[in-house]
This record gives sequence, C-alpha cells and structure tokens, in this order.
Amino acid sequence: AQKITQTQPGMFVQEKEAVTLDCTYDTSDPSYGLFWYKQPSSGEMIFLIYQGSYDQQNATEGRYSLNFQKARKSANLVISASQLGDSAMYFCAMRENYGGATNKLIFGTGTLLAVQP
Amino acid sequence: EAGVAQSPRYKIIEKRQSVAFWCNPISGHATLYWYQQILGQGPKLLIQFQNNGVVDDSQLPKDRFSAERLKGVDSTLKIQPAKLEDSAVYLCASSWPGGAGANVLTFGAGSRLTVL
Repeated sequence: AQKITQTQPGMFVQEKEAVTLDCTYDTSDPSYGLFWYKQPSSGEMIFLIYQGSYDQQNATEGRYSLNFQKARKSANLVISASQLGDSAMYFCAMRENYGGATNKLIFGTGTLLAVQP
Repeated sequence: EAGVAQSPRYKIIEKRQSVAFWCNPISGHATLYWYQQILGQGPKLLIQFQNNGVVDDSQLPKDRFSAERLKGVDSTLKIQPAKLEDSAVYLCASSWPGGAGANVLTFGAGSRLTVL
C-alpha cells in the first residue's frame, strides 16, 4: 500500500534562513506524483509544488524547491529565505493509482513550521 | 477565479444530531472531493465525484455519512447521526478530471465540526 511519512512534527526556523521539511514515501508503482501543500491557521490547503516520478529535474516554484531523491524515496521541501508568513502546517501527499480516474491524494501527518523573527 | 466555497465554516452539535455541509467548486471543475481531517492528522478522502457520479467512496462510513452532487456542480455532505469521533474539519476540493500529471486539487477553507 502507498504511504507518506513525515517524521518532523514541528520545526523552528529563523526569518530569512532556509529550512528543509522531510517527506518519505512508499509505493510499488513506477509512475506517481508527489505534492506539497501548506495549511495556515485559516484552514485552507494551498498547493505549493508538484514532482512527477519521471521528471528529470527537481521541481522549483519561487522560494520552494523539492529535493527529489528517487532511490531513497524521499521528496523533501526546501523553503529558502523564510518569511513570517511561512508559519503554517505543511503536508506532503502522493497521488494514488497514477493515471487512473480517481486522482486520490494520500497525505502525511504534516509538519508544523514556526518562523521566528 | 473564485475559489472553492464551503459553508458553514463552523458547526457545533450534540451527538446523534445531524449536520450538512455545502460545497461549491471552481467553475468548470468536473471532479469534486470531500476529505476529512481529524486534528493532528492529514486529510483522508471520503468521497470523489466526477460530474454527478461517484468515482470513489470506499472510505465513506455509509451507515451515517451521505453525499450528493445532483447537478454536477454543488455538493452536500451529510452526517446523521453524528458521533463524537466525527469531530473534524471537512475539506472540499475540486480539480479537472484525470489522475495524471500536475492535476492539482484546489481546496476550500473547510468546515470545522465539533460533536459534543
């Protein structure tokens, strides 16, 4: 069965520094997609970045980058130059049954990031 | 574009009472999802619709939960009767059809249910 593991319940980072949030996954499918979402205290899940299993390069979106290590089955999120507004819960997710009709995402338990001034 | 709308944002009920949540997806998104997020956990899919048909409801507790999307746009999730363990945030999301590529789910702000 597919599974997402986030081992860091909480992290602190100083404003303007970089931070890495860990995510490991388990799947036997050769094709899969990995997502990171941010959930501020307001509750809405905000999409940050996507990485496909066959993508040759690590995904980047502004200050967000994904450190994709396929052999280690890890997809860590790197946030550069942290801002106070980055304080939130961060979830790693995997699409189950890639290419099928369901587009179902399986989520990890999340990492709570606190950015300190 | 307007986001995914959900209401109510907060609801407090007694156990064994009923509750209903409403969701309006992004215009044009044929696929709609209801996720349950219990405190301290990641969201878990309850049901997925494509237009007005159910694609996946394998994790929906059908003895007490029901959902419908009659006209392929808005959706309602109902719980009757509610149990204490149903206390959670109910997130609605929508997307284009298909489970490949960067087909991103866009989420609403959620409906927080407290069952006393």
